[in-house]
Amino acid sequence: NAGVTQTPKFQVLKTGQSMTLQCAQDMNHEYMSWYRQDPGMGLRLIHYSVGAGITDQGEVPNGYNVSRSTTEDFPLRLLSAAPSQTSVYFCASSSRTNPIQETQYFGPGTRLLVL
Amino acid sequence: GQQVMQIPQYQHVQEGEDFTTYCNSSTTLSNIQWYKQRPGGHPVFLIQLVKSGEVKKQKRLTFQFGEAKKNSSLHITATQTTDVGTYFCAGRPGGFKTIFGAGTRLFVKA
Repeated sequence: NAGVTQTPKFQVLKTGQSMTLQCAQDMNHEYMSWYRQDPGMGLRLIHYSVGAGITDQGEVPNGYNVSRSTTEDFPLRLLSAAPSQTSVYFCASSSRTNPIQETQYFGPGTRLLVL
Repeated sequence: GQQVMQIPQYQHVQEGEDFTTYCNSSTTLSNIQWYKQRPGGHPVFLIQLVKSGEVKKQKRLTFQFGEAKKNSSLHITATQTTDVGTYFCAGRPGGFKTIFGAGTRLFVKA
């Protein structure tokens, strides 16, 4: 199993450009989420999904869109990039079938710089 | 809004000293998880606590969940250089959202 994969690893954008960060998991997990990590602020939840066709907003959803057409994929779209979106983005997945153990598996991250 | 506060932000220790990080929530949590992130890496799951007053141990690491399910702690006994990294707590205040603390970065001097 590859686990959680993210592409690209690095990206430089100009203000106003749009792009999609890809996330895929091969563990058949129901739950997937996107976080951004900024220095001194930990991980902040952007959007999450509890299954195909179902998405919801997290703590900092503005400027981002998501969709979940399949169990495996959960892309994050930046509609019009702003310098404030410079960050490291992590995708994570977990299984909801066992409520006692909800381990979140994280991808390697995408480092985004918006100029 | 719902917050998970974590202290201290940084901790410098000499190898062999103990280390503790504390996590406090403004609301009752259904569970709390702890993660470790090495510099340049991604968060890796350590443990989950579910029950009020629960204590779990993993070798030199001891995790506690408060009686009111609003606070938690991670204690490392006799730190080693391999313990270097940032330790995050993450809680579920309800529903499906998981809220992370800001993390405690641990520096260990050999």
